[in-house]
Amino acid sequence: NAGVTQTPKFQVLKTGQSMTLQCAQDMNHNSMYWYRQDPGMGLRLIYYSASEGTTDKGEVPNGYNVSRLNKREFSLRLESAAPSQTSVYFCASFTGALSNQPQHFGDGTRLSIL
Amino acid sequence: GESVGLHLPTLSVQEGDNSIINCAYSNSASDYFIWYKQESGKGPQFIIDIRSNMDKRQGQRVTVLLNKTVKHLSLQIAATQPGDSAVYFCAERGSNDYKLSFGAGTTVTVRA
Repeated sequence: NAGVTQTPKFQVLKTGQSMTLQCAQDMNHNSMYWYRQDPGMGLRLIYYSASEGTTDKGEVPNGYNVSRLNKREFSLRLESAAPSQTSVYFCASFTGALSNQPQHFGDGTRLSIL
Repeated sequence: GESVGLHLPTLSVQEGDNSIINCAYSNSASDYFIWYKQESGKGPQFIIDIRSNMDKRQGQRVTVLLNKTVKHLSLQIAATQPGDSAVYFCAERGSNDYKLSFGAGTTVTVRA
């Protein structure tokens, strides 16, 4: 079972470069999420998509954009990378708000901005 | 969730002993709670969940306790094993809410 798949697993960028992180889920989930995790901190929500065709800002959206390409795929874009965006990025998916089900996570993209 | 008061950022446990990991949450409207385990280099992995109409739920070697009066959640791991070494996060969500709120996490280290 693939679950939530993120690509790439690792990436190094220079300040100012752009980058798109890809995420796909095969669980037919309606909702998808992007988080960042910094050392010693919990997960902070960047953007989410409650359902196909909708996206909303989370706690830390500045410097990011997202696209819900279809029900399976949700991408995160850094238009002009900054060192403060060095982090581990996790994608997650979830059945939907009316269901008491957990979010399922990918294994992350480790991004370094030099 | 937030980690206030009873939360310990690290926990060292002797192999075979029971572990208790605590979490305080802030939103009284939260009605669904989850514990995740995160191993090094991996994403958070679902362990167990509990709804607000329950105060205890058991899984395989794990038990989650919910005290809504003091807004406290705990995870008990029985007979802790080396494979239980990881960071454990609590998370909460309100009904009809798409977003989870995560605690800061507790790092559990199992001593042989």
